[in-house]
Amino acid sequence: GAVVSQHPSRVICKSGTSVKIECRSLDFQATTMFWYRQFPKQSLMLMATSNEGSKATYEQGVEKDKFLINHASLTLSTLTVTSAHPEDSSFYICSARPSYNEQFFGPGTRLTVL
Amino acid sequence: AQTVTQSQPEMSVQEAETVTLSCTYDTSENNYYLFWYKQPPSRQMILVIRQEAYKQQNATENRFSVNFQKAAKSFSLKISDSQLGDTAMYFCAFMNPTDSWGKLQFGAGTQVVVTP
Repeated sequence: GAVVSQHPSRVICKSGTSVKIECRSLDFQATTMFWYRQFPKQSLMLMATSNEGSKATYEQGVEKDKFLINHASLTLSTLTVTSAHPEDSSFYICSARPSYNEQFFGPGTRLTVL
Repeated sequence: AQTVTQSQPEMSVQEAETVTLSCTYDTSENNYYLFWYKQPPSRQMILVIRQEAYKQQNATENRFSVNFQKAAKSFSLKISDSQLGDTAMYFCAFMNPTDSWGKLQFGAGTQVVVTP
């Protein structure tokens, strides 16, 4: 099956610093990658959609200058949380879509901002 | 815009018993995809089952089966012979294939607890 990795799985940082999360599709090329945020006991909230070589499309209410997304290749997308604050603490999940209609999810990254 | 509704926040079932999770959705599209995902305590999202709207036959994957009622816009998941490992959050999701991005619209989720 299709495998998506995410790194790091867990990160703790100080308020005001930036954190980068990587999402890789290991055995397929992803035409599109998605970034989600999930609070405890809640559903996944789509933050943005990215396509290789083009700017990400952000959902309403998501600050694009705070959550920088780069999709440099068909197998790698990165999410950078800039000037992180405690309210940015959350579980971030990426997914990747191959050419057909399905998404494969990474294992998630738990971000804690102190 | 499509909406997905899961009206059961939590369901409890004993081992070996059957549990059915409900999901309804709203769309004006005729062709689309529906999914059930499982999110265990590890929080890894796992695809349980997938249904294409143009296929009338209900999808089945081992102990998991769906009851897809297109006219009623209903997509319930039945877990048969429940096992302790089935304890997880289950999300129903909708995908509109005409959406070039292939976004998923998720329901709020149903927490399933399987007890010995």
